[in-house]
Amino acid sequence: GENVEQHPSTLSVQEGDSAVIKCTYSDSASNYFPWYKQELGKGPQLIIDIRSNVGEKKDQRIAVTLNKTAKHFSLHITETQPEDSAVYFCAFRGGGADGLTFGKGTHLIIQP
Amino acid sequence: DVKVTQSSRYLVKRTGEKVFLECVQDMDHENMFWYRQDPGLGLRLIYFSYDVKMKEKGDIPEGYSVSREKKERFSLILESASTNQTSMYLCASNGQRSNQPQHFGDGTRLSIL
Repeated sequence: GENVEQHPSTLSVQEGDSAVIKCTYSDSASNYFPWYKQELGKGPQLIIDIRSNVGEKKDQRIAVTLNKTAKHFSLHITETQPEDSAVYFCAFRGGGADGLTFGKGTHLIIQP
Repeated sequence: DVKVTQSSRYLVKRTGEKVFLECVQDMDHENMFWYRQDPGLGLRLIYFSYDVKMKEKGDIPEGYSVSREKKERFSLILESASTNQTSMYLCASNGQRSNQPQHFGDGTRLSIL
């Protein structure tokens, strides 16, 4: 079935440094790739998404890059701050269905 | 702002009980989804619905059913709860236009004793 590999499972960076999380997916028909941030005790919140006709998208300190040939996409957070500490999930939507397939998550820790 | 509301944050039930988890969204979204979230496994899709009275199986539907009698409300039903259904349950919704983002509720942490 469809799946997505997300790495790393835990990432610790110094405040102010950059963080990069990578995902590789299996379904070549995938056309939508969102990233979610989940804080403790809350549901996942969409932080950025990208569609398959675009290679890169940026929103302030957050950017996502998509390589459709290699079937991978990455989340980049620059100038990290303590409030960036959370679990981040990548996901993709396949060609036919509306449900999302999620990665297993990355626990991002920002060290002061 | 989109609001997806799950009726209970925490729920404790016993093995064999029939359990209802309720979800309401206020954005007139056509699509609604139920996921479960377990440590190390991420989020997995249980069921989804494209419209009132319609339902589709997700990746892990066994042991669950759903009900969508009104557009704004999507219920997840555990017919006979078992301990392996102890989990965090998340509801989401989105509009019908292609690639609309899904918006999530804050989850129901369900414990089956």
